[in-house]
Amino acid sequence: QKEVEQDPGPLSVPEGAIVSLNCTYSNSAFQYFMWYRQYSRKGPELLMYTYSSGNKEDGRFTAQVDKSSKYISLFIRDSQPSDSATYLCAMTQGSNYKLTFGKGTLLTVNP
Amino acid sequence: GAGVSQSPSNKVTEKGKDVELRCDPISGHTALYWYRQRLGQGLEFLIYFQGNSAPDKSGLPSDRFSAERTGESVSTLTIQRTQQEDSAVYLCASSPYNEKLFFGSGTQLSVL
Repeated sequence: QKEVEQDPGPLSVPEGAIVSLNCTYSNSAFQYFMWYRQYSRKGPELLMYTYSSGNKEDGRFTAQVDKSSKYISLFIRDSQPSDSATYLCAMTQGSNYKLTFGKGTLLTVNP
Repeated sequence: GAGVSQSPSNKVTEKGKDVELRCDPISGHTALYWYRQRLGQGLEFLIYFQGNSAPDKSGLPSDRFSAERTGESVSTLTIQRTQQEDSAVYLCASSPYNEKLFFGSGTQLSVL
């Protein structure tokens, strides 16, 4: 079993839809959880950063962490064509550098 | 510069050749990271530099891989005797000490 599982999609939604992206993990020592967005031929950029369980909201984006279920989610409200990208979950035990990434989910938002 | 710069953006090489990939981090960032992204896979940690401390090389997949960093500036990732399985995007990132990572656009390496 891989440490982090993420459905690669692809996921295609109409503009304005609510998008739900998810990852599961097996290592209970993970404490810090991140979501990165990666446009084609670009490096990943950090979208959301959360510590331990709970919710965090930033504009149209909400990150949820459920440590008891080892499950994290990213919700995108009122999705836009500019949200079309690959979304990668990442997590770490306590140090920012040894991030463990999911494979990424390719999202397309159709106008 | 405004961000992390990597060169070349694309590299095609023949199996068995050596390649060097370069990373210019954001000025003032003490930490520098190399990750590898194979097609359809998540990013794999390769190596981490922090200031003058000994680098963490625990992610390097074999002794054909090595990396250097001069002070808190440029880093070079070298792959010797390249193999087809080395084909991937090699991403460099920098950050202030153990904070948010800023990634470059990567070097797409193709080994024929």
